[in-house]
Amino acid sequence: DAGVIQSPRHEVTEMGQEVTLRCKPISGHDYLFWYRQTMMRGLELLIYFNNNVPIDDSGMPEDRFSAKMPNASFSTLKIQPSEPRDSAVYFCASSFRATSQAYEQYFGPGTRLTVT
Amino acid sequence: AQSVTQPDIHITVSEGASLELRCNYSYGATPYLFWYVQSPGQGLQLLLKYFSGDTLVQGIKGFEAEFKRSQSSFNLRKPSVHWSDAAEYFCAVASSGGGADGLTFGKGTHLIIQP
Repeated sequence: DAGVIQSPRHEVTEMGQEVTLRCKPISGHDYLFWYRQTMMRGLELLIYFNNNVPIDDSGMPEDRFSAKMPNASFSTLKIQPSEPRDSAVYFCASSFRATSQAYEQYFGPGTRLTVT
Repeated sequence: AQSVTQPDIHITVSEGASLELRCNYSYGATPYLFWYVQSPGQGLQLLLKYFSGDTLVQGIKGFEAEFKRSQSSFNLRKPSVHWSDAAEYFCAVASSGGGADGLTFGKGTHLIIQP
């Protein structure tokens, strides 16, 4: 399996622009998570989906952030408009709910976002 | 709400020496505990996990961790480190209430290996 795939790997954009991050989970996994990593706050859970349905978005920082999962093999995290404080590494992770494996999350390589 | 504390931001160890990275958690019920490793510019890789049963768990790359309920700890150990072990290590906890809720991570420990 190719693992969790994220694109782009690096994104540099100007403040006010729309940014879309993409994720393809591992085939067969039914949970998908979006995390953000910064030096100040560490790794934070933003939102997660089960069977394409958003379950908990309490970690989404504000209305500028939105996430969708139109099908089992694709999810997007969108920031509109972007701000410099959104600069971070964004990780996507997936897992499969089968007994204890439900909590074993597999992470993608991340997207490093820089907003200038 | 659950939380994870990794008290050591940086640790420096000589190659071949033993290693112990500390992790303390706060959670009301039996936690599900994890250690992940992150190499520079890479995603997180699962080293090992504890769900129940034997409190000493073995992971990949020669790592092990011991769950101590009385101390609310889940420390990571390795008897002899290699230069390739230099990385960021994260301890994490998940709720055991059913469903794959997101993980709560500690701030991480940066491991430096001296030759």
